[in-house]
Amino acid sequence: EIVLTQSPATLSLSPGERATLSCRASQSVSSYLAWYQQKPGQAPRLLIYDASNRATGIPARFSGSGSGTDFTLTISSLEPEDFAVYYCQQRSNWPPDTFGQGTKLEIK
Amino acid sequence: QVQLVQSGAEVKKPGASVKVSCKASGYTFTGYYMHWVRQAPGQGLEWMGRINPNSGGTNYAQKFQGRVTMTRDTSISTAYMELSRLRSDDTAVYYCASPRSGWYYYWGQGTLVTVSS
Repeated sequence: EIVLTQSPATLSLSPGERATLSCRASQSVSSYLAWYQQKPGQAPRLLIYDASNRATGIPARFSGSGSGTDFTLTISSLEPEDFAVYYCQQRSNWPPDTFGQGTKLEIK
Repeated sequence: QVQLVQSGAEVKKPGASVKVSCKASGYTFTGYYMHWVRQAPGQGLEWMGRINPNSGGTNYAQKFQGRVTMTRDTSISTAYMELSRLRSDDTAVYYCASPRSGWYYYWGQGTLVTVSS
């Protein structure tokens, strides 16, 4: 089973700042990686799939990069609604799908 | 528009079973797998398994083999996830999710299952 490790666990930033979230896989997942955003009491929402493609309706300030074992989600300029928990997910080595443990993006 | 509407919260005793439903609308139910993912309080996401609504074929995570059963009723576009021999650490929010291009595009609203004596 592929293990995804996200860092940092918590990221404290202010609106308008740039956020960089990391996801590292225990073995190569090629580009089979996605990012989700989850707000309290809500289901996750798909942001990025295939490492760098924005899902429908996702603002351009969200971008993803990477391949193999190292991936990054970047939010270019934080909006108040961006403060949430972010998860990465791989589907390269299936089953099972696996998720990272999450990065909490909080307001500084 | 695509909607996945799940059944309401449940409280169960240890050793009991729970069955959660997920009613799909806005797309062809038999055209896409339905997955189930759970999230314990304050924890991350855990994939449980999937069902092919067309054939009824299933794949389960090894962790849940023998305890989980996924079924569907195509006449009402509804998928079900039943978990048996419940333990306290099964307390979680259970989500159904319908992928597009392999990724979880659509999610149900979640069903809280609480296991407590």
